[in-house]
Amino acid sequence: DTGVSQNPRHKITKRGQNVTFRCDPISEHNRLYWYRQTLGQGPEFLTYFQNEAQLEKSRLLSDRFSAERPKGSFSTLEIQRTEQGDSAMYLCASSLRASGGLSSYNEQFFGPGTRLTVL
Amino acid sequence: TQLLEQSPQFLSIQEGENLTVYCNSSSVFSSLQWYRQEPGEGPVLLVTVVTGGEVKKLKRLTFQFGDARKDSSLHITAAQPGDTGLYLCAGANTGGFKTIFGAGTRLFVKA
Repeated sequence: DTGVSQNPRHKITKRGQNVTFRCDPISEHNRLYWYRQTLGQGPEFLTYFQNEAQLEKSRLLSDRFSAERPKGSFSTLEIQRTEQGDSAMYLCASSLRASGGLSSYNEQFFGPGTRLTVL
Repeated sequence: TQLLEQSPQFLSIQEGENLTVYCNSSSVFSSLQWYRQEPGEGPVLLVTVVTGGEVKKLKRLTFQFGDARKDSSLHITAAQPGDTGLYLCAGANTGGFKTIFGAGTRLFVKA
């Protein structure tokens, strides 16, 4: 396992179409995050899973966005009825939450991202 | 709302020069990470600082966490073209999962 992988790397779609992205985290990591990054900005938090449970979803995220992590391993992010404003880099990251009540420092390891262009 | 402000937003320097970039917040963080991101790729973790006043060195990069754990700096000595990229700071809190990212400092080192 060499790190977090994301597929596809690039996606071009027409407005109104649905798209789905996949993220495969580092195998022993129990936390998984989705971020969106636009030009000139840092990553913006979208949602977070601990194992298979989705524990937090950004209030900025419209209901056209949905994410799953059915078996606590890979995750998918779906965007329905895409809009031009959805064009961005979608990043996935994973981390390991230490057991025993101690928090890890939430060091996240990122995948290469999926660049979405909505025409 | 926790925010991290990075400065400068953009820096263009000649090879061999030194530089410092800053990451500031009005909030306290239990840990702070620095990442470097190249175009078309995801951020790569450089370092985590957790103790107020902590200084960590990574070859020509020196990272410092402020005493109050509200701010951090990254100093690069004798910059090289390979240092070119977007430097992001990110703050997190103990027991939490959420990491707040700054907007980044885009560094360009000319040969």
